[in-house]
Amino acid sequence: DTAVSQTPKYLVTQMGNDKSIKCEQNLGHDTMYWYKQDSKKFLKIMFSYNNKELIINETVPNRFSPKSPDKAHLNLHINSLELGDSAVYFCASSQDGGTGELFFGEGSRLTVL
Amino acid sequence: GNSVTQMEGPVTLSEEAFLTINCTYTATGYPSLFWYVQYPGEGLQLLLKATKADDKGSNKGFEATYRKETTSFHLEKGSVQVSDSAVYFCALSPRWGSSNTGKLIFGQGTTLQVKP
Repeated sequence: DTAVSQTPKYLVTQMGNDKSIKCEQNLGHDTMYWYKQDSKKFLKIMFSYNNKELIINETVPNRFSPKSPDKAHLNLHINSLELGDSAVYFCASSQDGGTGELFFGEGSRLTVL
Repeated sequence: GNSVTQMEGPVTLSEEAFLTINCTYTATGYPSLFWYVQYPGEGLQLLLKATKADDKGSNKGFEATYRKETTSFHLEKGSVQVSDSAVYFCALSPRWGSSNTGKLIFGQGTTLQVKP
């Protein structure tokens, strides 16, 4: 049973479109994250939610809007997609009061044409 | 500020060779330190961790020791296998007091290729 699952795994779309990526965790964790991995494999945090509340927003363009309907889900909606949005997006979760260890999903590869 | 620097890759080794991937960090407070591994086409998996100075994390033959005096957390393995080919990320989780801030800061990743 997958601990952190993301859908879709692959997404190919045209510039200007709007798309969403969904994430669910069954670990009972309080905090969820979105990370972006660029073509050089560099990973950078985008957002973090704790119990449905936004706690980290790393100067991401406002075309990116995370939504957390409950603490087990964190979705990412992207408006007006641009070529530079092409990347692999990773969802992750962690337990409050832990060592800071994150559990990652398998990633969603977004390609904008 | 907080940052992590890893040695440049790619690193290419023959099977059974000794592996070292260097990692140094800059942090305020006392961070937790991690090595994550990303196999081709997969997400990141925790390889090992250390939460305080002089702790040694170990898993699957890999080891790393939290060295506060040199702000380093180098990854080592005595004898690599072809199946160890992956991208390795060093990361830190900043901590304020006794709590982690909940944010991982990653190094740029080091690609390891092991040849038979």
